[in-house]
Amino acid sequence: AQSVTQLDSQVPVFEEAPVELRCNYSSSVSVYLFWYVQYPNQGLQLLLKYLSGSTLVKGINGFEAEFNKSQTSFHLRKPSVHISDTAEYFCAVSENSGYSTLTFGKGTMLLVSP
Amino acid sequence: DAGVIQSPRHEVTEMGQEVTLRCKPISGHNSLFWYRQTMMRGLELLIYFNNNVPIDDSGMPEDRFSAKMPNASFSTLKIQPSEPRDSAVYFCASSFGFDTGELFFGEGSRLTVL
Repeated sequence: AQSVTQLDSQVPVFEEAPVELRCNYSSSVSVYLFWYVQYPNQGLQLLLKYLSGSTLVKGINGFEAEFNKSQTSFHLRKPSVHISDTAEYFCAVSENSGYSTLTFGKGTMLLVSP
Repeated sequence: DAGVIQSPRHEVTEMGQEVTLRCKPISGHNSLFWYRQTMMRGLELLIYFNNNVPIDDSGMPEDRFSAKMPNASFSTLKIQPSEPRDSAVYFCASSFGFDTGELFFGEGSRLTVL
C-alpha cells in the first residue's frame, strides 16, 4: 500500500518570496503523483500531476514540482508567492495499476503575508 | 460546465438523527468517490464507485454509514444514527476512470452533530 508524508503542517512565507512544500511517498510499485490545492471553504482542485516522462512538472498558478525517484520525493515549488496562494496544499499518490485510488497526505497550510 | 454538486453545504443535526448527503457527479464521469476530512485524520476515502457499482467500501467507518449510487448522475451517503464524532466535511469527487487520478471535487458538505 502507498503512503504520503508531508513534513510541514504549516509554512509561513512573505509575499514574493520563494517557497518549497515537501512531499515524500512510499510505494512498492511505480506511482502517479499529484498536488492538489484547497482554498478556504472549497473543495480540492488539481494543481499538477506526474504520470510519466519529464520529472519536472509545471502546473497552474506558476507552481512546479520535481519527481525524484531515488529520494521518493515530489516537492512543490514556486519562485515568488502571492497573497492569493494562501491555501492548504495536498500531495497525493496512486499506484500505476488497475483500481488504484489516491492516497492523500495530511496537507501543508501555506500562509503568505505581506 | 457544472462541476460536482453536493448538498446540503451545511448540516447541523442532533445525535441519533439520520443524515443524508447528496452528490451529483460531472456528466460523463464514471467513477465517484466519497471522502471525509477532519483536522485529526485529514482526508479519508470512505467508498468509491465505478460505473455505479461499489468497488471498495473498506473505508466506511461503521455499519452506521452507507452509500448508494442508483444511477450515473446521483449518489448518497447516509449516516444512521449520527454521532458527534461524525462531524466533518464530506467531499464527493468524480473522475473519468482511474487512469490519471485527476479527481474533481465538490465544495463539500459540512456536518455538525451535536
